Amino acid sequence: DAKTTQPNSMESNEEEPVHLPCNHSTISGTDYIHWYRQLPSQGPEYVIHGLTSNVNNRMASLAIAEDRKSSTLILHRATLRDAAVYYCIPSYGGATNKLIFGTGTLLAVQP
Amino acid sequence: DTAVSQTPKYLVTQMGNDKSIKCEQNLGHDTMYWYKQDSKKFLKIMFSYNNKELIINETVPNRFSPKSPDKAHLNLHINSLELGDSAVYFCASTHGGNYGYTFGSGTRLTVV
Repeated sequence: DAKTTQPNSMESNEEEPVHLPCNHSTISGTDYIHWYRQLPSQGPEYVIHGLTSNVNNRMASLAIAEDRKSSTLILHRATLRDAAVYYCIPSYGGATNKLIFGTGTLLAVQP
Repeated sequence: DTAVSQTPKYLVTQMGNDKSIKCEQNLGHDTMYWYKQDSKKFLKIMFSYNNKELIINETVPNRFSPKSPDKAHLNLHINSLELGDSAVYFCASTHGGNYGYTFGSGTRLTVV
């Protein structure tokens, strides 16, 4: 299983962009990079995932380094509702696939 | 409509009791999971079922027994509850492969 390194915590101001980094230098060639977040007192929530190319959806953008050893989750305009723990998870998606959660990054959003 | 629903939301029980947590998903997913989140907020996978068949068992004590009567349901039965079993238990489901997982809102189990 690939190991990930994320900052323990980050702070942002409301309405500003947020870049959440993740290092996954031991990622295998077939692992996708998944991002989930967990809001206070809720279950984890899928945010986005990708393999090599940058990805966009209504929640966020995912920028993947060319060597795939790191990625960055981009929230274009942070809101108070985005305050959560964000997890970066390499996952290969096979029959016995499982998401292995690390410690994540606690994002605080200031009004 | 709730996609992944767990019952009960809260469960307080005494040591030594046996209890069950239920999970149902209405997403048509084939694979379901149980995760445990301890007091330090660390999320750890426990079990996975695919089409009612156990495919992942992460060295969980055999006091924990999952049961999947059909692919929309995955229940967790816990025998002889211990203080260390106190945690939030999350159910999740997915189509499999690299589809996203959908998690329930959790069951907070407190053993006293």
